[in-house]
Amino acid sequence: RKEVEQDPGPFNVPEGATVAFNCTYSNSASQSFFWYRQDCRKEPKLLMSVYSSGNEDGRFTAQLNRASQYISLLIRDSKLSDSATYLCVVLGGATNKLIFGTGTLLAVQP
Amino acid sequence: DAGITQSPRHKVTETGTPVTLRCHQTENHRYMYWYRQDPGHGLRLIHYSYGVKDTDKGEVSDGYSVSRSKTEDFLLTLESATSSQTSVYFCAISHSGGGTDTQYFGPGTRLTVL
Repeated sequence: RKEVEQDPGPFNVPEGATVAFNCTYSNSASQSFFWYRQDCRKEPKLLMSVYSSGNEDGRFTAQLNRASQYISLLIRDSKLSDSATYLCVVLGGATNKLIFGTGTLLAVQP
Repeated sequence: DAGITQSPRHKVTETGTPVTLRCHQTENHRYMYWYRQDPGHGLRLIHYSYGVKDTDKGEVSDGYSVSRSKTEDFLLTLESATSSQTSVYFCAISHSGGGTDTQYFGPGTRLTVL
C-alpha cells in the first residue's frame, strides 16, 4: 500500500464548478500535510499547507481528517488557470521527509 | 520565484555512461534535495544535503551519488546510467529542513537513457 494515495483523475469540470479532491495517507504519525500544484512539464509549487482546523485561501479550502487519515482540497468557482496536477504531500512520520502522492489531474473546460 | 537553476535541462545519453546533473541556488539555503518523478509514482527522494559536505540517502539512492562542495551547488551523479534511470529529476531547496519548511523546486532535468 502506498503511503499517500490519490485518485489520478482526470477530473474534467466546467468553468465555475466546484471540485474536490481527497487524499489518504497510511502513517497515523504524520504531522504535516500540504497540497502542491504542478503544471504540465513544470516544477511543483506549494499551494497551501493543511492545518488541523482547516484553512482557506481565496477559492481554495483544505481540510484534514485525522480519524480517517485523509486530507481534502476544495476549489470553488474553477478557472481555466486552475488546470494542473494537484499533489498531496505528507511529512513522513518516521523519516521526517516529504512523501508525495502521484497527483490528481484537473482539467477545467471553457 | 526561488533562485534555483538546473543544468542541463534535457539530456539523452547511452546506457553505461556517467552523467552529472547540477543544481545551483542563489538563496543560501542550507538544505538541498534531489528527487525523481516517474509516471505512477510520486516524487521520490534520491539524496539530500544538510550542509556543505553533509549528505544522506533518500528512498531511491541506489545507482546515484551526490556531492556538495559549496552551499550553492548540489551535484547528482549517475556513475553508469541505466534505462531505469530515465526520468525527470528535480532539485529542491529549503531553509531549515524542518517538516513544515517549504521546499522550492528547480525547473527539472529530463534525462533519457537509451
